[in-house]
Amino acid sequence: IQMTQSPSLLSASVGDRVTLSCKAGQNINNYLAWYQQKLGEAPKLLIYNANSLQTGIPSRFSGSGSGTDYTLTISSLQPEDVATYFCQQYNSWTTFGGGTKLELK
Amino acid sequence: QVTLKESGPGILQPSQTLSLTCTFSGFSLSTYGMGVGWIRQPSGKGLEWLANIWWDDDKYYNPSLKNRLTISKDTSNNQAFLKITNVDTADTATYYCARIADYGPFFDYWGQGVMVTVSS
Repeated sequence: IQMTQSPSLLSASVGDRVTLSCKAGQNINNYLAWYQQKLGEAPKLLIYNANSLQTGIPSRFSGSGSGTDYTLTISSLQPEDVATYFCQQYNSWTTFGGGTKLELK
Repeated sequence: QVTLKESGPGILQPSQTLSLTCTFSGFSLSTYGMGVGWIRQPSGKGLEWLANIWWDDDKYYNPSLKNRLTISKDTSNNQAFLKITNVDTADTATYYCARIADYGPFFDYWGQGVMVTVSS
């Protein structure tokens, strides 16, 4: 299943509400996870099953969506949120999206 | 505390076999529901899932690479392994092992990654 993330690059200011998109090539039944990868680090699990927050992740991160369209929202962008964000579907085998790089404006 | 660490050859030549080891602690691959996966990432690019192995020795491979991949485990030594045969420059990447969360086939703990370069 192909996963398409948009935009590929997003510039935002501290305090902004930020929305990242992930679109699946077919219905993935909410079997979607989001990861954050900071430069030089391994990915970190943020969200699973489309909208469940992983333990220890700040509540400013949230996930939503259904069917083929999913969204990761950061309610108030913090400087430490600068990273690349990947989505992963696990409805059929597993595939990752190409990533959205989030930078500060 | 769950930790994972990958090890590998660093550099190898085209057509050789890449052997990777994941040494982990804080969980056991003999425990019901546990699994470990391998994922790779070429420099500056996205993530590609390679293979998963489960506590019951069930194995799943990326269909596009299946013929070249072999995943295995050593439960007594808390290790998982991945072999990739007939490598070429396209296999140059950072290779990660990660624990599969027991509440879903996504990855809740990752190793730091090991860089592998294929070059003649």
